Amino acid sequence: QKEVEQNSGPLSVPEGAIASLNCTYSDRGSQSFFWYRQYSGKSPELIMFIYSNGDKEDGRFTAQLNKASQYVSLLIRDSQPSDSATYLCAVPPGYSSASKIIFGSGTRLSIRP
Amino acid sequence: DTGVSQDPRHKITKRGQNVTFRCDPISEHNRLYWYRQTLGQGPEFLTYFQNEAQLEKSRLLSDRFSAERPKGSFSTLEIQRTEQGDSAMYLCASSPTSGSGYEQYFGPGTRLTVT
Repeated sequence: QKEVEQNSGPLSVPEGAIASLNCTYSDRGSQSFFWYRQYSGKSPELIMFIYSNGDKEDGRFTAQLNKASQYVSLLIRDSQPSDSATYLCAVPPGYSSASKIIFGSGTRLSIRP
Repeated sequence: DTGVSQDPRHKITKRGQNVTFRCDPISEHNRLYWYRQTLGQGPEFLTYFQNEAQLEKSRLLSDRFSAERPKGSFSTLEIQRTEQGDSAMYLCASSPTSGSGYEQYFGPGTRLTVT
């Protein structure tokens, strides 16, 4: 089992709809969870992080965390063509104190006009 | 531009040659990371520095790989005797002194092609 798993996609969503991206992780000791966005040919950029069970909202983005199910998701409301990118779920291992992050392989999101 | 910078942006080398990449982090960040990313995969952690100390090194990092951060500012990643499997994007990231360190800011990367 991979430490951080994501569906590779592509996930195609019509403009204006909600895009839902999912991630599962294997280390029950992990305490914080991150979503990075990576445009084609560019570097990852941090867009959301969540530490507590429940929802965290930031503009059109909502991160959801369920530690019991080892599941974290990212919702993008009112999807725009500029949201088309690969979304990487990132999880620091519970055992690591050195800021190591394990990235999933990413989900490619395509917003169709 | 005060972001993370990397040099060179592209490197083509022949198998067996040595290559060295440089990373300049955001100036007030004392934490620095190296990752490797191949097509269709997320970044793979290679190593982590806090100031000049290398605190963690991935088992993925064979003896052919070495990284340094001699004065706690810029860092170099050297690959000796390159192999075709080393072809990848090498990403550097830094994070602020305060905070968890997990909020990382990435540079543009160095794309390595080994022929």
